[in-house]
Amino acid sequence: AQSVSQHNHHVILSEAASLELGCNYSYGGTVNLFWYVQYPGQHLQLLLKYFSGDPLVKGIKGFEAEFIKSKFSFNLRKPSVQWSDTAEYFCAVSTGRRALTFGSGTRLQVQP
Amino acid sequence: DAGVTQSPTHLIKTRGQQVTLRCSPKSGHDTVSWYQQALGQGPQFIFQYYEEEERQRGNFPDRFSGHQFPNYSSELNVNALLLGDSALYLCASSLERRVYGNTIYFGEGSWLTVV
Repeated sequence: AQSVSQHNHHVILSEAASLELGCNYSYGGTVNLFWYVQYPGQHLQLLLKYFSGDPLVKGIKGFEAEFIKSKFSFNLRKPSVQWSDTAEYFCAVSTGRRALTFGSGTRLQVQP
Repeated sequence: DAGVTQSPTHLIKTRGQQVTLRCSPKSGHDTVSWYQQALGQGPQFIFQYYEEEERQRGNFPDRFSGHQFPNYSSELNVNALLLGDSALYLCASSLERRVYGNTIYFGEGSWLTVV
């Protein structure tokens, strides 16, 4: 069975700091990778996704992620965070038509 | 283009009761999945419906059951509610024929509190 690990449970940054959230998955085959964001009181929104091709994917709001197959990783990055990026971030993986498996999430708090 | 809609948004039930949650998928989508998100945790997959049949199931007891209707909408039923069933229940929809590049969209969820 596939699993997803997010190593950072709670991250606190100042505005303009750079962000990198770790995500590792366990599955030996072809995977689809996602990052979702959940702002306080709101529903899950897709930040970005990787299915194939260029391992560096760009998403909304200036986020990007890099798929490193040899490390089974899909880390999320943003060069300069804003207070409005305060939210919970979830990494997720799926294989083919199978359902998403989520990590436990990382709570990001950006201080003005 | 309507997104995924869920009802009710909040509800409170008593231990032992039964609850039904409803979901309408995003327009054009034919596959519906349900997830349970407990406080401070990531969503956990409950089951997935396609062509009115349960196609995949996560590690949830038989107290959790569902249904998909011909118009692709879906219901999640939970019987004999336990305090531990208190959570946000998320519905997600996708399009079956897009196996690769298949983006899954989530609704805002139904908050269930069991007292």
